[in-house]
Amino acid sequence: DAGVTQSPTHLIKTRGQQVTLRCSPKSGHDTVSWYQQALGQGPQFIFQYYEEEERQRGNFPDRFSGHQFPNYSSELNVNALLLGDSALYLCASNSGPNPYEQYFGPGTRLTVT
Amino acid sequence: TQLLEQSPQFLSIQEGENLTVYCNSSSVFSSLQWYRQEPGEGPVLLVTVVTGGEVKKLKRLTFQFGDARKDSSLHITAAQPGDTGLYLCAGERNDMRFGAGTRLTVKP
Repeated sequence: DAGVTQSPTHLIKTRGQQVTLRCSPKSGHDTVSWYQQALGQGPQFIFQYYEEEERQRGNFPDRFSGHQFPNYSSELNVNALLLGDSALYLCASNSGPNPYEQYFGPGTRLTVT
Repeated sequence: TQLLEQSPQFLSIQEGENLTVYCNSSSVFSSLQWYRQEPGEGPVLLVTVVTGGEVKKLKRLTFQFGDARKDSSLHITAAQPGDTGLYLCAGERNDMRFGAGTRLTVKP
């Protein structure tokens, strides 16, 4: 049973560039949430996708956008990268729109220089 | 300001000792989860507590949800080096809000 997978594992970008991160949910899950985890901090909720729509959003600017595909996989896009966007980006999946019992992927480590 | 405050931030103990870490908030949550995260990996779900006053045991780990569903504790008995990691609590309201975590080191 495949768990949550994310790609790439590591990424280095320059300030001002754009980045796309990808996530495949655990088998049987239809909801994907994205989190940003800065060094030494807990994950911060970015947004959640269910039925290909953004259902919930945390306190992140519009530079952060996403998409969910019919196969439930998801992308996180970040435009106009800032140095402060350097973090571990985590994807979590669960069944249904309720975030109860989420399973996390290993994350994508983004470094902005 | 974190919605969930975890304490202590750091804890270093010897193998065999007992410990308790805390997760506190002024907000009520419909459920609360505990995760353990190791370097370079995503958090791994340990337990979910839903009912106020609920106690769950997972081998040497005991989790308690406060009566008012605002706080929780994690107690580890006879800690082992394999327990080393970042312990995160997360409360569910409309979304999941995480604390900053307790970084536990268990020395052999």
